[in-house]
Amino acid sequence: QQQVKQSPQSLIVQKGGISIINCAYENTAFDYFPWYQQFPGKGPALLIAIRPDVSEKKEGRFTISFNKSAKQFSLHIMDSQPGDSATYFCAASMHFNKFYFGSGTKLNVKP
Amino acid sequence: DADVTQTPRNRITKTGKRIMLECSQTKGHDRMYWYRQDPGLGLRLIYYSFDVKDINKGEISDGYSVSRQAQAKFSLSLESAIPNQTALYFCATSGPGTSGRYEQFFGPGTRLTVL
Repeated sequence: QQQVKQSPQSLIVQKGGISIINCAYENTAFDYFPWYQQFPGKGPALLIAIRPDVSEKKEGRFTISFNKSAKQFSLHIMDSQPGDSATYFCAASMHFNKFYFGSGTKLNVKP
Repeated sequence: DADVTQTPRNRITKTGKRIMLECSQTKGHDRMYWYRQDPGLGLRLIYYSFDVKDINKGEISDGYSVSRQAQAKFSLSLESAIPNQTALYFCATSGPGTSGRYEQFFGPGTRLTVL
């Protein structure tokens, strides 16, 4: 059973638009929710992360929205750029031990 | 220099062969992980190690084994490779990053093809 469910599988957005990727989890013991960005031929790299005691975390054009009661969190990329085209993974962890990853979203930002 | 390195980067092997994927890190982290990535399935944990004497199975450990030779080295072995082990394999460490955030640091990956 997948611990973290991610959608959509793929996403096409025009340059300047907003990209939104959603994730849901079941285990309320998770206490750390990172997002990773992966470019072709590279390993994933941490983009932004949130703890469940806050509802939003913003870093530049990237924002995580977190809904603890719904057990959902989402990544918003504002003013999306072609350079943002990559695969994005949400993840969840308990006490920074094991990390459970979503299935990934391939984002394509059209010029 | 890369903090997490993996060798080989690409490997083609035949069914039934034993192969080893190697991972080295200069992060100084105690925690290391092996994942496999398949299209549409994301990253799935194979094995993880919190220190040299601590090895744990992940979600999909069947058909794999690991060895933690030192704090900096963590190897993944396929004792008898089969075609459905064809995948992209990543090694990772975890610990605090330069920004103070806790994160996983991934190697560049090994693309394994089993014929």
